[in-house]
Amino acid sequence: QQQVKQSPQSLIVQKGGIPIINCAYENTAFDYFPWYQQFPGKGPALLIAIRPDVSEKKEGRFTISFNKSAKQFSLHIMDSQPGDSATYFCAAAISGSARQLTFGSGTQLTVLP
Amino acid sequence: DAGVTQSPTHLIKTRGQQVTLRCSPKSGHDTVSWYQQALGQGPQFIFQYYEEEERQRGNFPDRFSGHQFPNYSSELNVNALLLGDSALYLCASSEPGLRGEQYFGPGTRLTVT
Repeated sequence: QQQVKQSPQSLIVQKGGIPIINCAYENTAFDYFPWYQQFPGKGPALLIAIRPDVSEKKEGRFTISFNKSAKQFSLHIMDSQPGDSATYFCAAAISGSARQLTFGSGTQLTVLP
Repeated sequence: DAGVTQSPTHLIKTRGQQVTLRCSPKSGHDTVSWYQQALGQGPQFIFQYYEEEERQRGNFPDRFSGHQFPNYSSELNVNALLLGDSALYLCASSEPGLRGEQYFGPGTRLTVT
């Protein structure tokens, strides 16, 4: 079954901290792993994405770490700011199947000032 | 350059009624996907349209149908509404080809009473 399990459900950090959100998948055919950020009342916004041929990708303060053998990937937010407070979703897809995204259940991040 | 737009923003319907939601993709995008996001959960894939045809479908009943027009805009139709259809309906568009990133619109909040 195509599932993506995300943890933790919620996370509170102080400004400047490094929140880490983890995801695990089952389907080894997945080859595209994006992260989305969603603010209340808005649609998800693409943050960063990785393919399994690399173990890490950085874009600004956001880093994805990928462990193919463990079928796990994680999002790290460096120097977190109150404006980063949002819900974060990991997702996975098979590139050859029209990129149907399977989402995790989401992590509600709160960054305290 | 406008991003993905959706209408209406909010909608209230009665159980048993029918509803039509609309989506205009980002400029240059030819593929439209629809997702349902229940409160507190990750989006779930409904279906994807490409070249005016349904290319792939998720685990949703036939009450959910769609259409894509020659200008790439799309409609989502839901018949015989149930209380459980209350959700945020998200449209995502992507560039030509199977490796395009998906960009989401702000969604339509549907409430079924």
